[in-house]
Amino acid sequence: EIVLTQSPGTLSLSPGERATLSCRASQSVNNNYLAWYQQKPGQAPRLLIYGASSRATGIPDRFSGSGSGTDFTLTISRLEPEDFAVYYCQQYGISPRTFGQGTKVEIK
Amino acid sequence: QVQLQESGPGLVKPSETLSLTCSVSGGSISPYYWSWIRQPPGKGLEWIAYIYFTGTTNYNPSLKSRLTVSVDTSRNQLSLKLSSVTAADTAVYFCARHSAGANDYWGPGTLVTVSS
Repeated sequence: EIVLTQSPGTLSLSPGERATLSCRASQSVNNNYLAWYQQKPGQAPRLLIYGASSRATGIPDRFSGSGSGTDFTLTISRLEPEDFAVYYCQQYGISPRTFGQGTKVEIK
Repeated sequence: QVQLQESGPGLVKPSETLSLTCSVSGGSISPYYWSWIRQPPGKGLEWIAYIYFTGTTNYNPSLKSRLTVSVDTSRNQLSLKLSSVTAADTAVYFCARHSAGANDYWGPGTLVTVSS
């Protein structure tokens, strides 16, 4: 199975700053079938990005995804207070689908 | 607006079978794929299985021997059965719809605790 490794584990930033989250796959992700989700405490994950770089419906344009093959990045251009949460990447190109272990974006 | 709602017992005894239902409203089960995903308390997400509206399934090999996932299009419901549960199966269980492969709509999740 494809192992996804997210870094850093925790990112401490201030509102207005730029956040860069990494997701590295143990082998190439088919067709760049890589998604990013945001999860807040007590809530279900929310889809942000699919296909490595396509924003899901209703997602603000401060969220962007990039990358291909084994290296993917989620960028939040200017952090808003509501963006402090845990972020997961997921590959859905090869079964079994797998998730990264998550990156927590916390207020500095 | 599509809404998903998981339901089932919150407490299951070790060695017994965990049974959950996901009810879909505001939209049809067809022609979509649907996933079950779980999250142990304080931990990350684990994909369990997905099912197509026709009933075709794909299971996580780590759970396959204990797992049955089915769909009832007449009731707009999915179901999950996981047998021989242990404390390691304690988790919040989510159902979610696929769109372009990724999971765009999620239920709120239901906590299942395995304990005697």
